[in-house]
Amino acid sequence: SQKIEQNSEALNIQEGKTATLTCNYTNYSPAYLQWYRQDPGRGPVFLLLIRENEKEKRKERLKVTFDTTLKQSLFHITASQPADSATYLCALPLSGGYNKLIFGAGTRLAVHP
Amino acid sequence: EAGVTQFPSHSVIEKGQTVTLRCDPISGHDNLYWYRRVMGKEIKFLLHFVKESKQDESGMPNNRFLAERTGGTYSTLKVQPAELEDSGVYFCASSQGGRGSNSPLHFGNGTRLTVT
Repeated sequence: SQKIEQNSEALNIQEGKTATLTCNYTNYSPAYLQWYRQDPGRGPVFLLLIRENEKEKRKERLKVTFDTTLKQSLFHITASQPADSATYLCALPLSGGYNKLIFGAGTRLAVHP
Repeated sequence: EAGVTQFPSHSVIEKGQTVTLRCDPISGHDNLYWYRRVMGKEIKFLLHFVKESKQDESGMPNNRFLAERTGGTYSTLKVQPAELEDSGVYFCASSQGGRGSNSPLHFGNGTRLTVT
């Protein structure tokens, strides 16, 4: 069955550095991949969608890559700030398209001043 | 624009009781989804409405769960009778577009359900 793996350990970095989060998937060839941010007690918030024919996508300080050969997506936050501290979720569409998504467990990012 | 709203934010009920969760999607969003996260697990898909029609309810755990979206506006998710394993956070999300759309999901803040 399809499976998504994200680093379960928290990522701690210094303010101003680049944070890199990893999403690996198996038994799957998704047409696109999404990244969400989730804060404690809140619902996930959509950040970026990258399609299988796109190698890289950027939005302000965020950059996402999608390597369909490695079955991996990397999520980068440049010039990180304490306000970027949150859990970041990777999500892929299950068969059937639309937004029937399978989510990873998420990686918690802590940016320290 | 108002976001997706869910009510209640928290619910504590005893095993065997009934609970009804409500979701108001963003106005104009035809697609409405229910997801849930049980303790220690990933967020998982439950079902998908397009307007008032159920398009996919393959993620519903069992027949103790009933979702409705009368009139294609707000939706309710009823659990009857509740069991201990139903505890978790139930998220509602909505999106624009037609049936095949992958427009980004807008999530509510969830209902935290605790069954004791």
